[in-house]
Amino acid sequence: RKEVEQDPGPFNVPEGATVAFNCTYSNSASQSFFWYRQDCRKEPKLLMSVYSSGNEDGRFTAQLNRASQYISLLIRDSKLSDSATYLCVGESGGSNYKLTFGKGTLLTVNP
Amino acid sequence: DAGVTQSPTHLIKTRGQHVTLRCSPISGHKSVSWYQQVLGQGPQFIFQYYEKEERGRGNFPDRFSARQFPNYSSELNVNALLLGDSALYLCASNPDSPQQYFGPGTRLTVT
Repeated sequence: RKEVEQDPGPFNVPEGATVAFNCTYSNSASQSFFWYRQDCRKEPKLLMSVYSSGNEDGRFTAQLNRASQYISLLIRDSKLSDSATYLCVGESGGSNYKLTFGKGTLLTVNP
Repeated sequence: DAGVTQSPTHLIKTRGQHVTLRCSPISGHKSVSWYQQVLGQGPQFIFQYYEKEERGRGNFPDRFSARQFPNYSSELNVNALLLGDSALYLCASNPDSPQQYFGPGTRLTVT
C-alpha cells in the first residue's frame, strides 16, 4: 500500500462546479499535511496546509481526519484557472525526515 | 527575491554515465530537498539536507548521493545511470517552516 493515496482522477468539471479531492495516508507518524498544485510542466507550489480543525482560504477548504487517516480538499465555484494537478503531501520528521507526495489528481475545468 | 534555481535545465546522458545536478536555495533558506518526478507520478523524496547534514533519505539506491555546501547550495549526484533514471529532478528549499519552495527542475533523459 502506498503511503499517500489519492483519487486517481482525472476530474473534468464545468466552471462553477464544486469538486472534492480525497487522500488517505498509511504512515501514522506523519505529522503535517499539505495540498500542492502543479501546473503542466511546472514545479509544484503550495496551495494550503491542512489542519485537524480544518482551514479555508477563499474557495478552497482543506480538512484532516487523523482517526481515519484521511485528508480532503474542496474547491467551490471552480474557475478555468483551477485546472492543474493537485498533490496530497504528508510530512514525517524524527530521525529520518521525509515528505511523501501522492500521485496527484488532474483537474480540468471546462468553460 | 530570486527563487530556487537549478542547473542545467535539460540534460541528456547515456546509460552508465554519471550526472551532477545543482541547486541554489532561496536566500536565507538553510534546508534543501531533492525529488525525482517521473511522468504521471508525484515527486518522490530523495534527500533532505539541513545545515550541510543529511536529515532524511528516501528509498533510492546508493547510486544517488548529495551534499550541501556552506552557502547552502546543493548537488545531487547519480552514478551508473539507468534508463529508469530519466525524470524531472526537483530541488526545493524551505525556511524553518515545512513549506517547500520548488525550483523549475532539471529534466534528465538517459538513452
